[in-house]
Amino acid sequence: SAVISQKPSRDICQRGTSLTIQCQVDSQVTMMFWYRQQPGQSLTLIATANQGSEATYESGFVIDKFPISRPNLTFSTLTVSNMSPEDSSIYLCSVLQGAHEQYFGPGTRLTVT
Amino acid sequence: KQEVTQIPAALSVPEGENLVLNCSFTDSAIYNLQWFRQDPGKGLTSLLLIQSSQREQTSGRLNASLDKSSGRSTLYIAASQPGDSATYLCAVRSSNDYKLSFGAGTTVTVRA
Repeated sequence: SAVISQKPSRDICQRGTSLTIQCQVDSQVTMMFWYRQQPGQSLTLIATANQGSEATYESGFVIDKFPISRPNLTFSTLTVSNMSPEDSSIYLCSVLQGAHEQYFGPGTRLTVT
Repeated sequence: KQEVTQIPAALSVPEGENLVLNCSFTDSAIYNLQWFRQDPGKGLTSLLLIQSSQREQTSGRLNASLDKSSGRSTLYIAASQPGDSATYLCAVRSSNDYKLSFGAGTTVTVRA
């Protein structure tokens, strides 16, 4: 199974600033995903990031707000731009491996004040 | 659009009791189904993966069944322990677009 690490594990940010979250996987993977989990809610897919192509965003999420980089097969970043308190969530990196089994990172807990 | 429902939303049991968590989904065109565990403020841990052609999967005290035609999966946890206290999420992967749809989860508390 894939081992996924994320940095930072948590952060408190001021309104209007941006935060970049890093995701590192211990093996090469084709498909990486970014999810958001708002307080008390289940997971919502933000975008799918494949190496060598632009990320594909889900309805309600736009590149200007959540730019994603995928420079190689083991690394990705998600930036949360121009933050507001509504962006306070856990952000999770995820990968697909093997028989379409999905693995998740430990998450980044973001609080926007 | 796939809708995934988990019942009950919360469950509290004494230690040693067996747990039964239910998951239902609206579209039977699934590729597979995964059960995850999430501890408060943490990421998701994959517990069991059931392919659409399978009826059940077992890992230790955990057993998950799948009835694709009726759109149901059940996670059984035998002889519960306080360490089993967590939120359990069911996720269904569509065979059409391979996207994962999550239920809202069942929060389990096992009382010592």
